[in-house]
Amino acid sequence: SYEVTQPLSVSVALGQTATITCGGYNIGSQNVHWYQHKPGQAPVVVIYRDTNRPSEIPERFSASNLGNTATLTISRVQLEDEADYYCQVWETSVVFGGGTKLTVL
Amino acid sequence: QLQLQESGPGLVKPSETLSLTCSVSGASIRSSDYFWGWIRQPPGKGLEWIGSLYYDGRSHYNPSLKSRVTISIDPSKKEISLKVTSTIAADTAIYYCARHWAVGYCSGGSCPRGRFDPWGPGTLVAVSS
Repeated sequence: SYEVTQPLSVSVALGQTATITCGGYNIGSQNVHWYQHKPGQAPVVVIYRDTNRPSEIPERFSASNLGNTATLTISRVQLEDEADYYCQVWETSVVFGGGTKLTVL
Repeated sequence: QLQLQESGPGLVKPSETLSLTCSVSGASIRSSDYFWGWIRQPPGKGLEWIGSLYYDGRSHYNPSLKSRVTISIDPSKKEISLKVTSTIAADTAIYYCARHWAVGYCSGGSCPRGRFDPWGPGTLVAVSS
């Protein structure tokens, strides 16, 4: 079965840029979606189909997908961005990454 | 604006059937543009896809759960249901329903390749005696 791998945790200083990766074999040929999940809340999609950002999501969120790695980038990180982030793909079934805990220092 | 709300028992005994309902408001439950999905999150763990159902009854399930899971739709009540049989402690989780956008085609029909958006608030189900 297809697997995608995310780092368990990423730490970033307030105002700096955070990068979260999602690795998988030839993931660049898949549609990758990214979710932000805060405790006690429902997950929210921040990027869909590799690079598309919903209108309600700040422009600070961007993403790319090439080769074996998809990447979520959060520029000018704010305290409110602290959350778990998950990537998701479809490869004969839905696959979620294990999630990355983003800590804002 | 689409709103989803999960409901069902918060406690299920081991070996019994877990049954949840997702109420849909603000959008058509019978659309060719999307599936209806269920996702869960065990305590302290990540998200796990359970399955997704198309309005015409075609379904896709997580291979690891497929033998115990059934998702169904009741258009008259605007509800999507989830049943998990032969429950064990590992089925303890927050269960979410979500709209699951279709993208392209696979297995002879629309493909659940899109994002889950939006999600319901989730409901916690504990499997314990």
